[in-house]
Order: sequence, then C-alpha cells, then structure tokens
Amino acid sequence: EPEVTQTPSHQVTQMGQEVILRCVPISNHLYFYWYRQILGQKVEFLVSFYNNEISEKSEIFDDQFSVERPDGSNFTLKIRSTKLEDSAMYFCASEAFEMGNTIYFGEGSWLTVV
Amino acid sequence: RKEVEQDPGPFNVPEGATVAFNCTYSNSASQSFFWYRQDCRKEPKLLMSVYSSGNEDGRFTAQLNRASQYISLLIRDSKLSDSATYLCVVNQAGTALIFGKGTTLSVSS
Repeated sequence: EPEVTQTPSHQVTQMGQEVILRCVPISNHLYFYWYRQILGQKVEFLVSFYNNEISEKSEIFDDQFSVERPDGSNFTLKIRSTKLEDSAMYFCASEAFEMGNTIYFGEGSWLTVV
Repeated sequence: RKEVEQDPGPFNVPEGATVAFNCTYSNSASQSFFWYRQDCRKEPKLLMSVYSSGNEDGRFTAQLNRASQYISLLIRDSKLSDSATYLCVVNQAGTALIFGKGTTLSVSS
C-alpha cells in the first residue's frame, strides 16, 4: 500500500532554533496537509497546500510557520523560531484528486523543543 | 463551543463486549463524517466513513443523525486489538478535517 513518509521521526531542538520537517506524499496525490498533535490533545489542522500554494490555514499557522514543495516530491514544514509550545507530533497527510477523498497520514515527526 | 465533542472515556470493556461511542459536531454545514482510529503515538488511520443511511463494516457500525448533529460508532464482539483511541472527524466540502479529541477504548481479556 502506498504511504506518506516523514523525516525525521523525532527531533530535539533548542528554543529559538529553526526546524524543517520533511514529508514525501503519495506520488499521485495533489492535496497536502500538515496537522499537529500536542501530547494528550486533539489532532489540529495547520495548513493545506494545493497547486503549489496554500489553500487553507488555521490560526495556529502564524508567521513562524511556512510550507513549500521545493522539488515536486518533498513537502516541507518550516518552523522559524521554535517555542516550547511547538513541542508536538507533526503529521503530514496527502489526498488524491478531490477534497473529501481518503486522506493518508504519515507516521509523524515528534518535535521536542527544550 | 467545541467543533467536535466526544466523551474521552476511557471505556474499559472485556473481550466480546459491545461498546458504543458518541460524537456531536457544532457546524451544521459539515458534509463528510468519519471515524479514525489512533494507536498510542501513531498516526490516525481511517476506520470508516459515516453515511446518512448508516453503514456497517464487519463488527463496526456507524450512524449519522444530521438533524441532531450526532455521530455514533458501535463495536460488537470487542477484540483486544480494538484497544485504541477512536477519533470522530468531520469536514465541510473543500476544507480540512476537524478532529474530536477522541475516545479511548481498552479491551481486556
């Protein structure tokens, strides 16, 4: 079964450092997402991306966050200056042709900010 | 008001039991409904979509009541492997998925 892959699986970073989380979506998918889940909390939407631009973002996705798809395969989430409260599991997801199709999640990148 | 509300549990049941989870959503414009399963520190995985007419997949039955903005999941003949957190998820057309916090199920032998 095709899968979404994410790297790193776990990263520890110091507060104020920049972090880049990488994702390789399923190859024929067109919609890409980042979600996050703080330990013990619900899965929260951050941003969706289609046709090389952001299609929707939540209020969590402020100026410290950015996304890009630099080479047509990788889909990255950058956090410019990490805060302690950015510690969470970050899930990448992709979807095939239309919104409402099955969304496939990667295994997640666990970010710990110290 | 929370967008998607679930009883957090935990629900502790013996093997073979039947267990039901409920979920309410606040946005009447929601159009798609799902139950996801999430194991500890793993990614959410789609368990089943929920249709207005109700639908069944083996031991799992999902129901949707649009008038009451209520979704349910029934698990019959619980297995040890059903132990997980069950996430109620909704979205409107063309928007991102909105997750409930999840209901934790623990099935014991």
